[in-house]
Amino acid sequence: AQSVTQLGSHVSVSEGALVLLRCNYSSSVPPYLFWYVQYPNQGLQLLLKYTTGATLVKGINGFEAEFKKSETSFHLTKPSAHMSDAAEYFCAVSDTNAGKSTFGDGTTLTVKP
Amino acid sequence: SAVISQKPSRDICQRGTSLTIQCQVDSQVTMMFWYRQQPGQSLTLIATANQGSEATYESGFVIDKFPISRPNLTFSTLTVSNMSPEDSSIYLCSALLNYGYTFGSGTRLTVV
Repeated sequence: AQSVTQLGSHVSVSEGALVLLRCNYSSSVPPYLFWYVQYPNQGLQLLLKYTTGATLVKGINGFEAEFKKSETSFHLTKPSAHMSDAAEYFCAVSDTNAGKSTFGDGTTLTVKP
Repeated sequence: SAVISQKPSRDICQRGTSLTIQCQVDSQVTMMFWYRQQPGQSLTLIATANQGSEATYESGFVIDKFPISRPNLTFSTLTVSNMSPEDSSIYLCSALLNYGYTFGSGTRLTVV
């Protein structure tokens, strides 16, 4: 069984500030981890994914995430927030690269000018 | 990069009727997934659709309510049957492609 917990349903940062969105997972097997972004009235877009290898994963739009097995975490970060980053972000876990994904409840990111 | 086209993008339907949602991928994929996103909530997997076999449904979802077709490697449909207001949600299809999961833009369904 797998599960995902996203800490903080709403995160608000100022433009130019660090973005940190938290994700903790549980999985009985080595996990595959994903971050998705959903803009209003749109579908989900893959930001980045971790499968194997390097634990620091870089994605689109300047986002990156680090897989920490000891902490069962996969937090998403961006050094400097932009207004266009305001969206809903979902963390997801699957047990293989081809398996169904379990999604967290999502975190709404607000960027203040 | 591959694209998933989903239609309709939105619809308002009368209770008791059915709506079929179409999902077209511009490349061949083995597995496709259908998700539901209820207002203000995360995504819940309805079923996994493989070409040439019956869809596999998650707990709480049944074929009579959500029949799925997968006639070939680029296309799938989800039907929401005998709709009630509780079915008002966003429905998304997804496909596993080389670089990860890609989602359609979703169908926003309102049942009145």
